[in-house]
Amino acid sequence: QSVLTQPPSASGTPGQRVTISCSGSRSNIGSNYVYWYQHLPGTAPKLLMYKNNYRPSGVPDRFSGSKSGTSASLAISGLRSEDEADYYCAAWDDSLSGLYVFGTGTKVTVL
Amino acid sequence: QVQLQESGPRLVKPSQTLFLTCTVSGGSVNSGGHYWTWIRQFPGKGLEWIGYIYYSGSTFYNPSLKSRVTTSVDRSKNQFSLRLRSVTASDTAVYYCARGLIDSSGYYSVDYWGQGTLVTVSS
Repeated sequence: QSVLTQPPSASGTPGQRVTISCSGSRSNIGSNYVYWYQHLPGTAPKLLMYKNNYRPSGVPDRFSGSKSGTSASLAISGLRSEDEADYYCAAWDDSLSGLYVFGTGTKVTVL
Repeated sequence: QVQLQESGPRLVKPSQTLFLTCTVSGGSVNSGGHYWTWIRQFPGKGLEWIGYIYYSGSTFYNPSLKSRVTTSVDRSKNQFSLRLRSVTASDTAVYYCARGLIDSSGYYSVDYWGQGTLVTVSS
């Protein structure tokens, strides 16, 4: 199942900065771009970050992404109540014949 | 804005075939550059990529599911479908249809997802 490792939870108070890590390997994060998705249960997951650190149109600049080696991270600054959701990282994995792999998911709670 | 909606039986018996359809609006399954994708999420929240089909009919599947998966495109209805054979309880999951794309550098990603539909495998 999930090949990329994320912390199960993260939390912060409104206005704080929260960072979510995503750890992979040379065959996925180490050699491909990282993507981040935001998921509110019962809704369609939403693309939040593409190619490591690019935001799709409409995504606030409070969200930022980075990648170094075989790890990536998503930062949410100025945390807001509507940011409470599940966040998943993803990347292409070149092992075997290739497949798209996801992170284990991080539940962000706004205290 | 592309929207995708999954439909199909919510309960499937063990050893039978799971069949789901995804209806696309705000876009065309006929358009080049998009790869019509299936993803599932297990009850424990883990996500698994199932694979994709291109409008031409070419496919690419997760090696772990390849022997049981078939996908198809219906251009007249602007839909694409998933068949998963010989299901067991471990195939119980929320199934999402999604739009994939491969950029100019050859990197695949998924941009739009449906809301998902829970399929339970049980007798």
